[in-house]
Amino acid sequence: AQSVTQPDIHITVSEGASLELRCNYSYGATPYLFWYVQSPGQGLQLLLKYFSGDTLVQGIKGFEAEFKRSQSSFNLRKPSVHWSDAAEYFCAVGGRRGFKTIFGAGTRLFVKA
Amino acid sequence: DGGITQSPKYLFRKEGQNVTLSCEQNLNHDAMYWYRQDPGQGLRLIYYSQIVNDFQKGDIAEGYSVSREKKESFPLTVTSAQKNPTAFYLCASSSRDRNTEAFFGQGTRLTVV
Repeated sequence: AQSVTQPDIHITVSEGASLELRCNYSYGATPYLFWYVQSPGQGLQLLLKYFSGDTLVQGIKGFEAEFKRSQSSFNLRKPSVHWSDAAEYFCAVGGRRGFKTIFGAGTRLFVKA
Repeated sequence: DGGITQSPKYLFRKEGQNVTLSCEQNLNHDAMYWYRQDPGQGLRLIYYSQIVNDFQKGDIAEGYSVSREKKESFPLTVTSAQKNPTAFYLCASSSRDRNTEAFFGQGTRLTVV
């Protein structure tokens, strides 16, 4: 069965510290992987996506993610967190053409001064 | 600017009433989706449509109905049969012709009073 697991419900990091949000997926075919960010009461904005090729993908706002097939993981990273990064982050997996994309439960990021 | 517009942003409904949420897109996307978001549960797919005049049930379709009479529009009706309709509803669309991500509207928060 297809699934996405984000093990951390919430994470708190200090401003300027590095960040890693974990994502593990289960998918029978070649996965298409996404990270989205959501501010309170807003829609979701795409941070980055992986379809094929280089397993380290760069996204907007200084985020990057690494696809590790052997670990079924697609962790999101940022070297230095800014207060404006406080939001909820969703990992998602989909098949060809993005139909029936499956979302994880989300990780809420808190940033402390 | 191209995008997805959901209206209204906030909606209040009395128990026993049907209510319709609007979703319009001008991205020329073939596929459109409705998701429900509850705290700690990620996004759950209600209905999706790959083409005009066709739509499919998602994982939690009971108590909801949709129509797709125009490519640009995919309204969602929350019926009185939906036992727990208070939630945040997100509409999304994607291209059917390319492997690509879903684009999201800003959401509608429905509250049953």
